[in-house]
Amino acid sequence: DAGVIQSPRHEVTEMGQEVTLRCKPISGHDYLFWYRQTMMRGLELLIYFNNNVPIDDSGMPEDRFSAKMPNASFSTLKIQPSEPRDSAVYFCASSSGGQGPDTQYFGPGTRLTVL
Amino acid sequence: GESVGLHLPTLSVQEGDNSIINCAYSNSASDYFIWYKQESGKGPQFIIDIRSNMDKRQGQRVTVLLNKTVKHLSLQIAATQPGDSAVYFCAESFNDYKLSFGAGTTVTVRA
Repeated sequence: DAGVIQSPRHEVTEMGQEVTLRCKPISGHDYLFWYRQTMMRGLELLIYFNNNVPIDDSGMPEDRFSAKMPNASFSTLKIQPSEPRDSAVYFCASSSGGQGPDTQYFGPGTRLTVL
Repeated sequence: GESVGLHLPTLSVQEGDNSIINCAYSNSASDYFIWYKQESGKGPQFIIDIRSNMDKRQGQRVTVLLNKTVKHLSLQIAATQPGDSAVYFCAESFNDYKLSFGAGTTVTVRA
């Protein structure tokens, strides 16, 4: 079975440019999560969706960050404009709902470098 | 110069020995706990989870123990192998679907 798919795996861009990260969750999972991992702050939840609807975006650092989930099989995380401090590894994860929190399965991540 | 960032606990273990990785969680009301393994360049990989109505759960070569009295979680790995070298994260959740991750423990297996 295919796991969570993320693209691109690596992205190098210049400050001020727009960056779009993509995620395809595991089929049948109705929760999708975006995380950021840095050496300074560890693994942080940015936003999560349930049935394509954003539920909690309190972890989104600022207005430069936005996330969408137009359908059950696709989500994007956009940074516009990007800044060097956005450099990190961004992970997408998905889980099924059920009777409460369930195992989140992570994708391989996108390593973003903003010069 | 000194590196800036999270100072991860480390554990060095001899191949074949048992490993115990500890985690102190923050919210006494958390009701779901999970352990992940992260190898270099990869995403976190699920190991085992436990809900607050249990104090022990076993998987293949792994056991998770939960002590709610002192807010402590541990992961035991039996017969540690070189492939177990990784960073291990515990995470907790309270009454919703958000996970709060700990800083992680780096495990190095000596041959």
